[in-house]
This record gives sequence, structure tokens and C-alpha cells, in this order.
Amino acid sequence: SSELTQDPAVSVALGQTVRITCQGDSLRIYYASWYQQKPGQAPVVVIYGKNNRPSGIPDRFSGSSSGNTASLTITGAQAEDEADYYCNSRDSSGDHVVFGGGTKLTVL
Amino acid sequence: QLRLQESGPGLVKPSETLSLTCTVSGASISRSSYYWGWIRQPPGKGLEWIGSFFYIGNTYYNPSLKSRVTISVDRSENRFSLKLTSVTAAETAVYYCARASSGTTVYYFDYWGQGTLVTVSS
Repeated sequence: SSELTQDPAVSVALGQTVRITCQGDSLRIYYASWYQQKPGQAPVVVIYGKNNRPSGIPDRFSGSSSGNTASLTITGAQAEDEADYYCNSRDSSGDHVVFGGGTKLTVL
Repeated sequence: QLRLQESGPGLVKPSETLSLTCTVSGASISRSSYYWGWIRQPPGKGLEWIGSFFYIGNTYYNPSLKSRVTISVDRSENRFSLKLTSVTAAETAVYYCARASSGTTVYYFDYWGQGTLVTVSS
């Protein structure tokens, strides 16, 4: 399969922990990477590989994976974390790239 | 500092060809083990991978677009281009160029251009 599935919307209370998930057959082979996108801006990678954060990404962002499901966890969500989040990986063939449909995170 | 910049017409007529160029500065697209590619995002919708090429030349396309897409490379100018033929209004989107890093089990876009809006309309 070449699809990655995400919940369309998730909400979290300020300071609480939220998990955003991404499901797909290719995730049994490849790690997901996660992007944060704010309105009018290009996506920014926040987690890649097993659980790697690029320089400048706060350590409240973490990633994990089990079976066909990858998760992005934000521990102690901040107002500035309100954004759309996308996962991506290679597809099962390894030759193509797929994105999840995105999750809109609201911080209450 | 790596920078990618998209350029091209912001308006394309239906059934015509969309052409965009991505100019890269701060790194050579020919000398490093990265993929370079295109991603698009219709207004209010999600990201869609269009295609990528590896620095040594292999090119990969989204199967759903493969018959209409060409990514070409101008190594002398350190830039690459996208051509998408027979466009429809549904392909109105922000088009991004980006660099991807890849390992055995990971593939992620670590640098993105700012994106350029292309509207398909008569």
C-alpha cells in the first residue's frame, strides 16, 4: 500500500501531552518523519527516523513506532505548537514517497 | 546556508504545461548524497509528493502523475525544473521544491523552498 493515514484533527489542553498517529503498511519497513506546518509557511521537519530531532526543535517533540503505526508525541504542548502536522515515508516499494493527509492540532 | 527558491508563472491555462524552476544556493545538487524534488499543496489541503531525483541522476515520480511529469536538472546552473503537462484546475496549488535526506529506513525533506502558488485558470 502507498497510503499513510492520519486523524484529521486533534486537540490538547495547554501544557498537556498529545499523540498524533500515522498508519500505513510502509511503516512496517520505514520510519516516518514528521513535519509541522503553520499557515502560509513551508513545512518544517520536527522528527525524522527512529526519533531524531533537527537542531532547533524543542525536546518536547518525540517520535515512536510500533508495527504499522508511527506516533509524534508533544509533551507539554505550547500555544505555538498549534499547526498542521504531516507524516511521510517511502512507500512499500521503496521507490516513491508518500505523505499522510495531515492532522490539525488545536491547543486549547 | 542552503536555500531553495522556486520560480515560474503563477498562472497557467487548463490543458497547458506548468513549468517551474528551483534554484539552489549554498550546496551543489551534484556533489552530495541527497534527493531533490517537488511537492505540492492545493489550498487548504495536504501535501502531495510529485517526484524526486537522486544527485547521481535517478529520477522517481508519483505513479499517479508519472505520465505527465518531467523533472530535469541543469547542473551547470545548480537548478532543477518541473514540467507538468495537461494541467487542470484541480492542480492549482502551492508548489514547493525541497531537498531530501535518505537512509536505509528513512526519507525526509530537510530543506524547503518558500513555495510558489500556481493557479490553473483560463
